[in-house]
Formats: sequence, C-alpha cells, structure tokens
Amino acid sequence: GNSVTQMEGPVTLSEEAFLTINCTYTATGYPSLFWYVQYPGEGLQLLLKATKADDKGSNKGFEATYRKETTSFHLEKGSVQVSDSAVYFCALRNAGGTSYGKLTFGQGTILTVHP
Amino acid sequence: DSGVTQTPKHLITATGQRVTLRCSPRSGDLSVYWYQQSLDQGLQFLIQYYNGEERAKGNILERFSAQQFPDLHSELNLSSLELGDSALYFCASSQGLAAINEQFFGPGTRLTVL
Repeated sequence: GNSVTQMEGPVTLSEEAFLTINCTYTATGYPSLFWYVQYPGEGLQLLLKATKADDKGSNKGFEATYRKETTSFHLEKGSVQVSDSAVYFCALRNAGGTSYGKLTFGQGTILTVHP
Repeated sequence: DSGVTQTPKHLITATGQRVTLRCSPRSGDLSVYWYQQSLDQGLQFLIQYYNGEERAKGNILERFSAQQFPDLHSELNLSSLELGDSALYFCASSQGLAAINEQFFGPGTRLTVL
C-alpha cells in the first residue's frame, strides 16, 4: 500500500535560516504529491503540490521537487520566518483504483522558528 | 477560510455514548472526505463520499458510519465511544474525483471522550 515517511521532528530554527524537511514515499503508479501546513488551532491548508515527475511545486517561498528516481518530495525554504512556525505534512494521492481521492499523510513535522 | 464548515468545534462526551459530527462542503464541491488526527495514529483517511454515494473506505471502525445528504452536507456518526476515539476529526471537500482536484479542509471537530 501507499505510505509516506517524513523526517523526525521537531525542527527548531532561527529566523532567516534554511529549512529542509525530508519526505519519501512508497506508492504504486504515479501519485500526486502534496505539502500541507497546519497552523495552531486550524485545519490543514495546501502549501504546494506536484503531479508528475520532475515537477516543482512552489508557494510563499517554499518549494519541493517530485523526484521519482529517489521517491522523494523534500520541502525547502531559503529563509524562514517566525510566522512559518506550524506543522507540515507531506501527502500523496493516487489517481485511480479503489482508494482514489484519498490522501495518505506522513506523520507531520513540527517547525518552530525563533526570532 | 477554506469554505468548509464543521460543527461542533468541540465535543466532550463519555465512553459508550454516540455523537454526530457535521460537515458542509464548499459551494459546488461534490466530494467529501473524513479524516481522523490522533497523537498515536497521525492523520488517517476514514471515508469518502461523492454526490451522495460512498466511494472509498479507509481505516474506519465498524462503530463509525457516515452519509452524505442530497444537499451534499455530510455527517459522521461515532457510536459506543471509547477513550481511544478522542481525536481531531477533519472534513475535506473537493470539486470532483480527479486526483488533481485540491482537497479543502475544514477547521475540525475536537472530540474528547472521558
């Protein structure tokens, strides 16, 4: 079955530091890949997505590249801000089969950015 | 604001009881998904409905059931509640079934079973 593995957290950084959160996946076929962000007390928001190999998703300074050869979708940001403090989830979704539409999530990585 | 609404925001109940969580999807969205977020299991898919019909099932317990009504709102019914059912329950909606359709998440219902 499908699975997503994220790097262990929590991650604590100073403002303007470089961020990488690793994500690797196992899936059949050609899944779409996503990063969601959850701010304290809120639901999940889509941060970025990529639907095929070598696609780069980007939003709000964050980016991730769909690497089929390494089955990875690492999240990066060049300079984090205090407002980026949140929980980040990597997820995948298959296009077909009996589970189509369903999102499979990683365990989440807590990011805390200090001024 | 995602446009997906969930009620109630918080629910505190006792073991053995039954509760109903409600979700209203974004206007125009036909597909509704339910997810459970707990400390030990993480975020797990429970069930999906499309235009009133069940389309996919995940790790949903037999004590749990759901339905989607003609007006497209959905309800998740949890019965014979156990302490381990305490979790945040999210509803999400999307326009259709295609994998490229973004899922928009509601703010969640926090269920506490005492």
